[in-house]
Amino acid sequence: KAGVTQTPRYLIKTRGQQVTLSCSPISGHRSVSWYQQTPGQGLQFLFEYFSETQRNKGNFPGRFSGRQFSNSRSEMNVSTLELGDSALYLCASSPKAGGGNEQFFGPGTRLTVL
Amino acid sequence: KNEVEQSPQNLTAQEGEFITINCSYSVGISALHWLQQHPGGGIVSLFMLSSGKKKHGRLIATINIQEKHSSLHITASHPRDSAVYICAVISGRSSGDKLTFGTGTRLAVRP
Repeated sequence: KAGVTQTPRYLIKTRGQQVTLSCSPISGHRSVSWYQQTPGQGLQFLFEYFSETQRNKGNFPGRFSGRQFSNSRSEMNVSTLELGDSALYLCASSPKAGGGNEQFFGPGTRLTVL
Repeated sequence: KNEVEQSPQNLTAQEGEFITINCSYSVGISALHWLQQHPGGGIVSLFMLSSGKKKHGRLIATINIQEKHSSLHITASHPRDSAVYICAVISGRSSGDKLTFGTGTRLAVRP
């Protein structure tokens, strides 16, 4: 089976712009979770989608949003980018909903905001 | 105080040494993950534990729910084990599971 894929792998944006990141889960996995990793804050949970519904959300401002499509692919969007949004964004897929299941991580998208 | 604390933050070992990384947490949890992150960012899930002990190859993970503590052990360490090891706890809430991560332990194994 192919692993979790994320596109693009690298992205450079300027403040105020918006960005959309994509995640394709392992075939058959219906849960997709998104995480932000920064040197200062470490890994933080953004949100989880399962069967096209946001099931769970971390403590991030409304500028961070996401969605999931019927084929389980997921996108996350960050609007009005700030310098502090520079981070590695990781998605992970799982066959079932909830953090108590094994998660398979993608390679991440490294976003730089100038 | 962070809800999830890992120790040590940095660890250097000689090839072949036995390594222990600790994770302590302050909340009630339903499960705990151990993750491995190599340079470049890729993360691999090593273990998911809700009780007891699990073993996979040279890696052993234990958890003591009463003491709110988990350990990851690496036997016969090898340079390819050099990575950041992160523990993550899952605690339930009415709006869904909450995942909280430790800050990671950076391990360097020298040949």
